[in-house]
Amino acid sequence: GENVEQHPSTLSVQEGDSAVIKCTYSDSASNYFPWYKQELGKRPQLIIDIRSNVGEKKDQRIAVTLNKTAKHFSLHITETQPEDSAVYFCAACSNDYKLSFGAGTTVTVRA
Amino acid sequence: NAGVTQTPKFRILKIGQSMTLQCTQDMNHNYMYWYRQDPGMGLKLIYYSVGAGITDKGEVPNGYNVSRSTTEDFPLRLELAAPSQTSVYFCASSYRVLARSSYNEQFFGPGTRLTVL
Repeated sequence: GENVEQHPSTLSVQEGDSAVIKCTYSDSASNYFPWYKQELGKRPQLIIDIRSNVGEKKDQRIAVTLNKTAKHFSLHITETQPEDSAVYFCAACSNDYKLSFGAGTTVTVRA
Repeated sequence: NAGVTQTPKFRILKIGQSMTLQCTQDMNHNYMYWYRQDPGMGLKLIYYSVGAGITDKGEVPNGYNVSRSTTEDFPLRLELAAPSQTSVYFCASSYRVLARSSYNEQFFGPGTRLTVL
């Protein structure tokens, strides 16, 4: 099955700086890569996703890049704000409906 | 729309007890999923369903059972609770048409925090 690795496990950044989270996947057939944000005690919520026919996607302060050859994808958050503090999960879809999740990155934005 | 709802929010079980975690969605989604989330870990897929009457095992199905008699409901059953089943359980749903290029967001419920002592 699909194996997704996520790094780093924790990330502390100064407010206003950028944060980058990287994930690798094992199944070359994977073609859908969502990112979820989970605040403490709450449910995961989708913040951005990318499909394999696209190399980069942006939505305001967040962006995701995908390198299918190297089988890795990354989340970029610019101009970080305190409300960006949360756990972020990457995932890969190796068939039509099952997601494999990374272990998560705890992001702390220091004021 | 209430989205995906789960009951109960919290539960403490004794070893060997059984219980059912309820999940309901009102978005007419055909796909439904059960995940467990252990501390410091990502979500692991327990079971999933692609439509009423159809279920299949995910990554960690042992100790659990599911059924899908309606589009809206997807209950998860624990028959003989064990301490290893202490976790937070999330139900999710999504909609997809029968086309390989179709991917849609999975919407998650609020979760059930289960402790087995």
